[in-house]
Amino acid sequence: KAGVTQTPRYLIKTRGQQVTLSCSPISGHRSVSWYQQTPGQGLQFLFEYFSETQRNKGNFPGRFSGRQFSNSRSEMNVSTLELGDSALYLCASSLNADRNYGYTFGSGTRLTVV
Amino acid sequence: AQSVTQPDIHITVSEGASLELRCNYSYGATPYLFWYVQSPGQGLQLLLKYFSGDTLVQGIKGFEAEFKRSQSSFNLRKPSVHWSDAAEYFCAVGPRSGTYKYIFGTGTRLKVLA
Repeated sequence: KAGVTQTPRYLIKTRGQQVTLSCSPISGHRSVSWYQQTPGQGLQFLFEYFSETQRNKGNFPGRFSGRQFSNSRSEMNVSTLELGDSALYLCASSLNADRNYGYTFGSGTRLTVV
Repeated sequence: AQSVTQPDIHITVSEGASLELRCNYSYGATPYLFWYVQSPGQGLQLLLKYFSGDTLVQGIKGFEAEFKRSQSSFNLRKPSVHWSDAAEYFCAVGPRSGTYKYIFGTGTRLKVLA
């Protein structure tokens, strides 16, 4: 079966712009989480969604937002981009709300802000 | 506070040598425990997970991990390392119930010498 698909793979944006990243989870997975990964900060949790409801949110400013659709696909949006937003953004899906089977990760979207 | 500690940022081993990557956690009740591996430019892949029962769990690629409740540790081991094992390894903990966050360690980067 298809894995977690993230689009686009690479993105270059200018400071002040906004960006939308997309994630299609594994078929049947209803839990989707987003992480930001940078060399200095490691994996930082952004959001977690289950059945279109945000269950958890990390410590990021309000410029970072997300949503999940009825087909479990998820998007995250970053408005007013800053240089520090340059990172690898990873989406991960899990079968159930407990995530006790672990996550399946996508390959990520590499965002560069110039 | 809930946390996952991977005390070794970098580890270098020779091909064929044994490997042990350390992971300690602080999470209140015993969580679910996971190890993931990340190759450069890719997402994370689940290596193995511990739910309950036998404290020695087997995973993919010849890896195993041992849960020690008294030490709050979940160390990853491999008897003989292959050059293809060079990657970054992340320990993670997740809640057995509720909406608590899934927490990742900061990672250990493994270098394998030929």
